[in-house]
Amino acid sequence: EIVMTQSPATLSVSPGERATLSCRASQSVGTNLAWYQQKPGQAPRLLIYSASTRAIGIPARVSGSGSGTEFTLTINSLQSEDFSIYYCQQYNSWPPAWTFGQGTKVEIK
Amino acid sequence: QPQLQESGPGLVKPSETLSLNCTVSGDYMTTSIHYWGWIRQSPGKGLEWIGSLHYSGSTTDYNPALKSRVTIAADTSKNQFSLKLKSVTAADSAVYYCASQLSGEFDHWGQGILVIVSS
Repeated sequence: EIVMTQSPATLSVSPGERATLSCRASQSVGTNLAWYQQKPGQAPRLLIYSASTRAIGIPARVSGSGSGTEFTLTINSLQSEDFSIYYCQQYNSWPPAWTFGQGTKVEIK
Repeated sequence: QPQLQESGPGLVKPSETLSLNCTVSGDYMTTSIHYWGWIRQSPGKGLEWIGSLHYSGSTTDYNPALKSRVTIAADTSKNQFSLKLKSVTAADSAVYYCASQLSGEFDHWGQGILVIVSS
């Protein structure tokens, strides 16, 4: 099983500043990586797939980068709706054994 | 864009079978651009992929950790796909989500349904 490790567990950021979230895979997943945002009581929402492609409706201030085992989600100019939990997910393993990270909570500083 | 909605009992007894349905809006279930999957979320284990079904119904993939207990199937006449998880224990208590997939990423999610395993 590919283990996904996210850091930090909690990130305190002031509105208007930048948040940088990390996700590390226990083995290479190429660019088969997605990022999700989850707000309390809601389902996760796809933000990024293929490591760096924004999903429909996701603003340009949200970006993803990385390949192999190291990935980053960057959110510029944090707005109130950005304070939530973020998960990464790999979908490289075959046969499929897709796994998620444990999440990073972005909170207001 | 597809909309998904989970349905089923919110309480299941230990050792019994958890059965959930996911209803998909429109004609998306027969399109070739989607897989259909189940994911669960519990406080102890976070997000866990359970399994996925190809739109044709011909291929299913399951989480190796759950494979012996899981069945996912489609009923395209009802625009539904289902999840059956047998021999449940308290560890299977979670919010269960159905979702559509493009390749491996889950692009549309249902709202989720809380299932508690308890006698």
